[in-house]
Amino acid sequence: QVQLVQSGAEVKKPGASVRVSCKTSGYTFINYYITWVRQAPGQGLEWVGQISAYNGNTDYAQKLQGRVTMTTDTPTTTAYMEVRSLRSDDTAVYYCAREAQGGPDYWGQGTLVTVSS
Amino acid sequence: DIQMTQSPSSLSASVGDRVTITCRASQGISNFLAWFQQKPGKAPKSLIYAASSLQSGVPSKFSGSGSGTEFTLTISSLQPEDFATYFCQQYNSHPRTFGQGTKLEIK
Repeated sequence: QVQLVQSGAEVKKPGASVRVSCKTSGYTFINYYITWVRQAPGQGLEWVGQISAYNGNTDYAQKLQGRVTMTTDTPTTTAYMEVRSLRSDDTAVYYCAREAQGGPDYWGQGTLVTVSS
Repeated sequence: DIQMTQSPSSLSASVGDRVTITCRASQGISNFLAWFQQKPGKAPKSLIYAASSLQSGVPSKFSGSGSGTEFTLTISSLQPEDFATYFCQQYNSHPRTFGQGTKLEIK
């Protein structure tokens, strides 16, 4: 069965970086995109960006452009998202999701990233 | 960016009711629209893609319709497990954008 398992919660200071992993299984990794979505406490869903697991092409939300990098590792079928220069408003639960032609279908369990001094 | 506007923002209904949630796009997105259900403290669950196609394993009590700029999600015969927050998302173009959510509560 399709599974996406994310790394554990992180607490970071402002200005630091965080890397969240998303280990996938149960499907052909390179046939899909990985999408990242975040949700600040009590707020709605915000699209962070997307990466093609086939060729590594990325699209990022303008709001995080220059601070976010998405990568994939095909041998381990794992996707990564790094956010640099963290600010307090980056505090959120970050989700990865598998995506093909019909939007996200399977989701990871979420990773809480807390940015606090 | 394409703005997605859901209505209502919240909705009270009883077990057994049928409810409809609307999602409007600020410009035409053909049928590139998805719906998600989210319960407190949990990841979103994908319900519908291409405006009206059910994701695998989603019961037929959920249905979607629409094209262009106006879309609806209908949930029939509400059960306690259906009370949650529902989001729409357009995937016609980047950046992908979500509606603000509709919280469905028990009356």
